[in-house]
Amino acid sequence: DAKTTQPPSMDCAEGRAANLPCNHSTISGNEYVYWYRQIHSQGPQYIIHGLKNNETNEMASLIITEDRKSSTLILPHATLRDTAVYYCIVNEGSSNTGKLIFGQGTTLQVKP
Amino acid sequence: EPEVTQTPSHQVTQMGQEVILRCVPISNHLYFYWYRQILGQKVEFLVSFYNNEISEKSEIFDDQFSVERPDGSNFTLKIRSTKLEDSAMYFCASIRWGEGRGVSYNEQFFGPGTRLTVL
Repeated sequence: DAKTTQPPSMDCAEGRAANLPCNHSTISGNEYVYWYRQIHSQGPQYIIHGLKNNETNEMASLIITEDRKSSTLILPHATLRDTAVYYCIVNEGSSNTGKLIFGQGTTLQVKP
Repeated sequence: EPEVTQTPSHQVTQMGQEVILRCVPISNHLYFYWYRQILGQKVEFLVSFYNNEISEKSEIFDDQFSVERPDGSNFTLKIRSTKLEDSAMYFCASIRWGEGRGVSYNEQFFGPGTRLTVL
């Protein structure tokens, strides 16, 4: 089973920041937080990952709380193309299989 | 940017028939995966493959399923005798490995999927 809890759905206005929360209260010290998204039955797409520190790339920012029990994915200026299901996944970085366990994710609807 | 490709995009088959789904992972990746997604449900892990053998499989991946890397580029999923409940999207993925960080993280690249319809 997935080790994360996410709200089932969220709305965001186009051009505004989308803040997607995730709870992972049972995360262990060597587990990373990963975010993927799936746009309308396409293959999931990697967005970002982090261990302890906040991270930023060209797609998004990831804020991880100090106790690592929760995180927030931030899409700074959401566009209609960001409408998708967003998955927060915790995964042991040293795992030799690297499998991903998907939950139900958060369906983000970006509205004009 | 390199990408994972899958063929066919849509496969329709009769119950009991064998199907082979094909994937071409990104060329310098070493770990390969199959996932499936039944319509309206979550993405489910099926199997991981490394060094020409299965490294982990889920309970979904029973004796009806097999994987193979027949050459240096293709990675296939075979379902020997399809059932109605095998109807799903099947996604192949491969991992970007290392980049100077050893085994500390992975970024999975997914293909566009094959929609399998079993009639």
